[in-house]
Amino acid sequence: AQSVTQLGSHVSVSEGALVLLRCNYSSSVPPYLFWYVQYPNQGLQLLLKYTSAATLVKGINGFEAEFKKSETSFHLTKPSAHMSDAAEYFCAVIFWSSASKIIFGSGTRLSIRP
Amino acid sequence: NAGVMQNPRHLVRRRGQEARLRCSPMKGHSHVYWYRQLPEEGLKFMVYLQKENIIDESGMPKERFSAEFPKEGPSILRIQQVVRGDSAAYFCASSDGTSEYNEQFFGPGTRLTVL
Repeated sequence: AQSVTQLGSHVSVSEGALVLLRCNYSSSVPPYLFWYVQYPNQGLQLLLKYTSAATLVKGINGFEAEFKKSETSFHLTKPSAHMSDAAEYFCAVIFWSSASKIIFGSGTRLSIRP
Repeated sequence: NAGVMQNPRHLVRRRGQEARLRCSPMKGHSHVYWYRQLPEEGLKFMVYLQKENIIDESGMPKERFSAEFPKEGPSILRIQQVVRGDSAAYFCASSDGTSEYNEQFFGPGTRLTVL
């Protein structure tokens, strides 16, 4: 079955440390892949997207993600965390067969320690 | 250029009442999607509409929920006889249908609380 999984519902890092949020998908055909950020009581903001061009995708706020077909992964990274990065992050996919329906992961809450 | 607009932003209803959530897509967009986010969960797809047509309603509960996107005016998500389990954030997204993956732009959401 086609699905998307985020490992770790809560990640805590120190300010200035590397941020790594994990996302794996399950599909025989690579889907379109997205990362969204949600601040408390707000809507979703698109961080970055993979649409079969370059496998390393750069997004806003210094985030980037690498598509690895062999690992069916699309992990989100940022070299140096900032306090303002504290938020909920959602990995999301659109599978070719789903007529544009976005499937979201369960989310990872990122906390930043001073 | 205004983004996707949703109103109201917050809605409180008592059990058994009706809730109407409105979504105005971005200018030039004729595709609308509704998603529901239950507390502490990710977003779940509910329904995909184009003007006057429901394209995919595979995520809609079988009873009490309906959606429309008329030729004129906003898209409406209607929940009849609300129950406490309907308390959630409801997000609308829109697209112009031209990109290969129908890039969707999200509104700020309507937070429904059922007392």
